Amino acid sequence: KAGVTQTPRYLIKTRGQQVTLSCSPISGHRSVSWYQQTPGQGLQFLFEYFSETQRNKGNFPGRFSGRQFSNSRSEMNVSTLELGDSALYLCASSLSGDYLLSGELFFGEGSRLTVL
Amino acid sequence: QKEVEQNSGPLSVPEGAIASLNCTYSDRVSQSFFWYRQYSGKSPELIMSIYSNGDKEDGRFTAQLNKASQYVSLLIRDSQPSDSATYLCAVIGASGAGSYQLTFGKGTKLSVIP
Repeated sequence: KAGVTQTPRYLIKTRGQQVTLSCSPISGHRSVSWYQQTPGQGLQFLFEYFSETQRNKGNFPGRFSGRQFSNSRSEMNVSTLELGDSALYLCASSLSGDYLLSGELFFGEGSRLTVL
Repeated sequence: QKEVEQNSGPLSVPEGAIASLNCTYSDRVSQSFFWYRQYSGKSPELIMSIYSNGDKEDGRFTAQLNKASQYVSLLIRDSQPSDSATYLCAVIGASGAGSYQLTFGKGTKLSVIP
């Protein structure tokens, strides 16, 4: 059974550019969450999608956005990149739609973004 | 802002000993608690979930939850060098307006010395 697939794995952008990251969840998983991981802040929740609807959103500026398609694949976009956006962006999928159980996440390998 | 606090470590234990990892959380109404393990350069993987007060055992791992004290811990018995990793505590709690959020602690780095 294939795991969570994220593309691209590595990318380098310059300030002011925008970036789109892609995530394909485990087959049958309808919940997809996005996290930003940095050495200083740890794992921080960006947003969660379930059945193409954003169910939850973390405390990130509007430059961070996402969407989910009917096949559960998800994309996140960061516009007007800043140096502080350099991080590992992790996508995670969950089988359960019950929020009490949705902490049981399966993570992808991540997309490492460097902003110069 | 809901908080999940962990001692950053590093926590060093000899091989075969019991490693004890602790986590406190600020949201009193939190209901679901998780421990993830993250090896260096890898993504987190779920190792334990616990939803009610008391102990939950799975092999060498035991999760303990005390909602009154807002405290959750992870015990690793017979620690092995392969257990050396960062352990992340995660808690689901309400984030307002009927929404909820999975909040992670910053993790405790465990080093098992052969």
